[in-house]
Amino acid sequence: NAGVTQTPKFRILKIGQSMTLQCTQDMNHNYMYWYRQDPGMGLKLIYYSVGAGITDKGEVPNGYNVSRSTTEDFPLRLELAAPSQTSVYFCASSYSSGLQETQYFGPGTRLLVL
Amino acid sequence: AQSVTQPDIHITVSEGASLELRCNYSYGATPYLFWYVQSPGQGLQLLLKYFSGDTLVQGIKGFEAEFKRSQSSFNLRKPSVHWSDAAEYFCAVGPTHAGNMLTFGGGTRLMVKP
Repeated sequence: NAGVTQTPKFRILKIGQSMTLQCTQDMNHNYMYWYRQDPGMGLKLIYYSVGAGITDKGEVPNGYNVSRSTTEDFPLRLELAAPSQTSVYFCASSYSSGLQETQYFGPGTRLLVL
Repeated sequence: AQSVTQPDIHITVSEGASLELRCNYSYGATPYLFWYVQSPGQGLQLLLKYFSGDTLVQGIKGFEAEFKRSQSSFNLRKPSVHWSDAAEYFCAVGPTHAGNMLTFGGGTRLMVKP
């Protein structure tokens, strides 16, 4: 049971490039989330999904896209990378939407846009 | 809108000393409150959570937190810190207006002196 895994661990992008951050969970969780963590700012929710085929915007969705074709995978797409997207990205999952359910986090992807 | 403030960005304590990390929140109703820990290179791990009932909550790794409604606080404590407790600690509150999501504080980085 690997929990939540994320790839890559670290990436440098040039402005305007695109990339996909991968997230996979093996706990059969319905809910998955993408957060970004900026220094001193805590985590902010980018997108979330309540199940395969269903996604919704969080607090800071601009510049990102997501899809959820399977229960296990929830990739995050950056289409035109900008320096403002330099951050650490965390994927998380939980069994249901209730806050009584613990969110399990992946180790993060550190992204630098130059 | 709800918010979470962690006033101390960095804290250094000696091994064996007691620890208190501060968390203040702004929330319009009775909040759900959480403390997470992030060890270097790892994702966030839930330490403890408060939903209702006893205002003193016990968590993993010997941590506890006390909910004080009158002070809008949820401070994290440990009576004797171990070197392995060096990490970043995040306080969070939910749900948000968007649903059962979390708002995170900016984090407190704990360093432990031998």
